[in-house]
Amino acid sequence: EPEVTQTPSHQVTQMGQEVILRCVPISNHLYFYWYRQILGQKVEFLVSFYNNEISEKSEIFDDQFSVERPDGSNFTLKIRSTKLEDSAMYFCASSESWQGAGYTFGSGTRLTVV
Amino acid sequence: AQSVSQHNHHVILSEAASLELGCNYSYGGTVNLFWYVQYPGQHLQLLLKYFSGDPLVKGIKGFEAEFIKSKFSFNLRKPSVQWSDTAEYFCAVNPPFSGGYNKLIFGAGTRLAVHP
Repeated sequence: EPEVTQTPSHQVTQMGQEVILRCVPISNHLYFYWYRQILGQKVEFLVSFYNNEISEKSEIFDDQFSVERPDGSNFTLKIRSTKLEDSAMYFCASSESWQGAGYTFGSGTRLTVV
Repeated sequence: AQSVSQHNHHVILSEAASLELGCNYSYGGTVNLFWYVQYPGQHLQLLLKYFSGDPLVKGIKGFEAEFIKSKFSFNLRKPSVQWSDTAEYFCAVNPPFSGGYNKLIFGAGTRLAVHP
């Protein structure tokens, strides 16, 4: 079964450093998403991406965050200057259509900011 | 505020007991509904989803859910749980008019512990 792949599985970074979280969506999917889950809290939508541009973002997704699809396969989330409160599990997802066909989550990257 | 509510935060059951986890949402209009499971240390896995048609949806691992439009509910059920069902369960809604780009709004989750 096709998978969404995320790397690394765990990243530790110092406060103020930039991090890039990487995702390889399912190859025929056109819609890409990032979500995060702070420990003990609900999964929260960050951003959706289609046709090489952000289609929707939440209030969490401020100027410190950016997304990019640098080539035909990767989809990245960059946090410019990490804060302690950015520590969370970050999930990438992709879907085949805007109606949600094939909506699949990756296994997540646990980001720890120290 | 529009939201997804899961009323049970922690549920403890013995094996073979029946399970029902509540999910209510506050969005009007047509919504798509999902239940995800997250086993310890693992990613979100889709259990089942409802887009339209028969409001009783069957998913993987013997789970089912019933969409009751008048109650804005999408409760998850399983007739007989197993120890391996120990996990966290998330209800999610794809709200209408979300730009057509399909974000999911998640409930807070229900942590299920099944004792042998």
